[in-house]
Amino acid sequence: SQTIHQWPATLVQPVGSPLSLECTVEGTSNPNLYWYRQAAGRGLQLLFYSVGIGQISSEVPQNLSASRPQDRQFILSSKKLLLSDSGFYLCAWSIGSGIVYEQYFGPGTRLTVT
Amino acid sequence: KQEVTQIPAALSVPEGENLVLNCSFTDSAIYNLQWFRQDPGKGLTSLLLIQSSQREQTSGRLNASLDKSSGRSTLYIAASQPGDSATYLCAVSTDKLIFGTGTRLQVFP
Repeated sequence: SQTIHQWPATLVQPVGSPLSLECTVEGTSNPNLYWYRQAAGRGLQLLFYSVGIGQISSEVPQNLSASRPQDRQFILSSKKLLLSDSGFYLCAWSIGSGIVYEQYFGPGTRLTVT
Repeated sequence: KQEVTQIPAALSVPEGENLVLNCSFTDSAIYNLQWFRQDPGKGLTSLLLIQSSQREQTSGRLNASLDKSSGRSTLYIAASQPGDSATYLCAVSTDKLIFGTGTRLQVFP
């Protein structure tokens, strides 16, 4: 069966510090991978998605970036965090191309920027 | 631009009640609609996915319907239990998933 992992589970970082969040998927090949952010009182916002190694699409211009160095690994990064980067970050995967198929979510990372 | 709205934002009911959560979307050109459950501080759990060609899907005490032409979906929960307490999110897919802001459900004993 497929599983998706995220780490760390929680993170407290000062403004201006770098960020690296990792997501890995097990039990499937060539998944589509997604990064979402859920800010307090707001819906989920798609940040990045990837259909293959090295292929990243950005949905929202900001100081975050994403990379996919391996088929089942997706990394969210920032060189300098802002207060507005605080939120709950969720990674998700799906199988299929073009049409968005059923998405499965990881446990999330709670990021607090102080 | 696709917009997804969920009503009510919060709901508190006694155990055993049947309840309906509503989801509406502005653009009927969707591929599917997905309902999720989110427990506090946790990720999302997929409950039901309805393809655009389908009218409803059922899983246990859950039944989701889809009316594309009117831009509406409902999630029906039968015989609610305290363990159903969570936030329920609907999402429609075009080239990506667009989420509603959710309905926070509390079922009290």
